Amino acid sequence: EAQVTQNPRYLITVTGKKLTVTCSQNMNHEYMSWYRQDPGLGLRQIYYSMNVEVTDKGDVPEGYKVSRKEKRNFPLILESPSPNQTSLYFCASSELALSYNEQFFGPGTRLTVL
Amino acid sequence: AQKVTQAQTEISVVEKEDVTLDCVYETRDTTYYLFWYKQPPSGELVFLIRRNSFDEQNEISGRYSWNFQKSTSSFNFTITASQVVDSAVYFCALSGQLTGNQFYFGTGTSLTVIP
Repeated sequence: EAQVTQNPRYLITVTGKKLTVTCSQNMNHEYMSWYRQDPGLGLRQIYYSMNVEVTDKGDVPEGYKVSRKEKRNFPLILESPSPNQTSLYFCASSELALSYNEQFFGPGTRLTVL
Repeated sequence: AQKVTQAQTEISVVEKEDVTLDCVYETRDTTYYLFWYKQPPSGELVFLIRRNSFDEQNEISGRYSWNFQKSTSSFNFTITASQVVDSAVYFCALSGQLTGNQFYFGTGTSLTVIP
């Protein structure tokens, strides 16, 4: 089944404890992206990647890191999480790195930072 | 700057009523793309439609229709004869050639269809 998977789905952590949220897609998509969803703010793009080893900042990259060593994986790293990073995170992918491509979203990861 | 505005935060309608969700966008791009996504209560995000800036034809898909008007920078979404299963948060999004592969989402409209 074609899908985008994220792990973990739920995570409660404490301020400053490094964490990684994994994202993997099995559709051989070029483009992958991370978003956060917050009440009243909609979805905001954190980082995106147009292909292996190519990553760019979105609107809200501060406090996050990403890497794209393999085409299928695009982990989101929080080196020192803070409470303002409590949010619902979505990973997405699209077939080509073109602005008209529809994105396929993962199921979301709900992160709470205490 | 790229921006998407969904002024309607929440809408409630009674089943079988028609409802229109508004989306207004700002962009400096001459070539850009508009999208609608649906987020049902289960939380996943589902692609509904894409429209490019040089195609102003309206589109109909079953009970769903979309009205794209460049003159007013709007890309509105109408659900005809709404059903309870239409209850969801709907997001409008924008991308464009100038901004490469960045996507800009609106804040979403939460639609509740009352049986």
